[in-house]
Amino acid sequence: QKEVEQNSGPLSVPEGAIASLNCTYSDRVSQSFFWYRQYSGKSPELIMSIYSNGDKEDGRFTAQLNKASQYVSLLIRDSQPSDSATYLCAVHPSNDMRFGAGTRLTVKP
Amino acid sequence: AAGVIQSPRHLIKEKRETATLKCYPIPRHDTVYWYQQGPGQDPQFLISFYEKMQSDKGSIPDRFSAQQFSDYHSELNMSSLELGDSALYFCASSNRGNYGYTFGSGTRLTVV
Repeated sequence: QKEVEQNSGPLSVPEGAIASLNCTYSDRVSQSFFWYRQYSGKSPELIMSIYSNGDKEDGRFTAQLNKASQYVSLLIRDSQPSDSATYLCAVHPSNDMRFGAGTRLTVKP
Repeated sequence: AAGVIQSPRHLIKEKRETATLKCYPIPRHDTVYWYQQGPGQDPQFLISFYEKMQSDKGSIPDRFSAQQFSDYHSELNMSSLELGDSALYFCASSNRGNYGYTFGSGTRLTVV
C-alpha cells in the first residue's frame, strides 16, 4: 500500500462546477498536509497547506482534514479551464514529503 | 522573490555517461530535497540535506550521489546512466519544519 493514495482519475468537470479531490494516508504521525498543482512538464506548485482537523479556505480552494480517518480532500469551487492540471496530495510524516500519484483534473468550458 | 534555481533545464546523455544536476535553494532555506519524476508518475523522494548534512535517503540508486555545499547549493551526481534514469529531476527547498516545499523548475534528463 502506498503511503499516500489519491482517488483515481482522470476527473472531468464542467466549467463552474465543484471539483472534489480525495486523498488518504497511512502514517498516523503525519502532521502536515499539502496540495500541489502540477501542469504538464512543470514543477509542482503549492496551493494549499493544512495542519489541523477541519476546513481551510483560500479563495476558490477549500482543504479538509480528518486525522482520525486519515483523510484529506481539496474542493475547487467555480472550476475554471485554467484549473486543468494534475493535483498532488502530499504528506509530511517526517523530514521529507511523500506524494500521492496525483489526480488529473480537466475542466471543460 | 527569489525561487529555487536548477540547472541545466535540459540534459541529454548517452547510456553509461555521467550527469551532474545543480540546485540553488531559496536564500535562508536550510533544507534541500531531490525528487525524481518519471513520465506519468508522482515525484519520488531521492535524498535531502539539512544544514549541509544528509538528512534522509529515499529511493536513490547507488549510482547516484549528492551533496550540499557551504553556500547551500546542492548537486546530484548520476553515474553509469541507464535509459530508465530519463525523468524530470526536481529540487525543492524549505525551512526545516512542517512547511510546504518550493520546487525548482526541474531538470529534464534524457538518456539515449
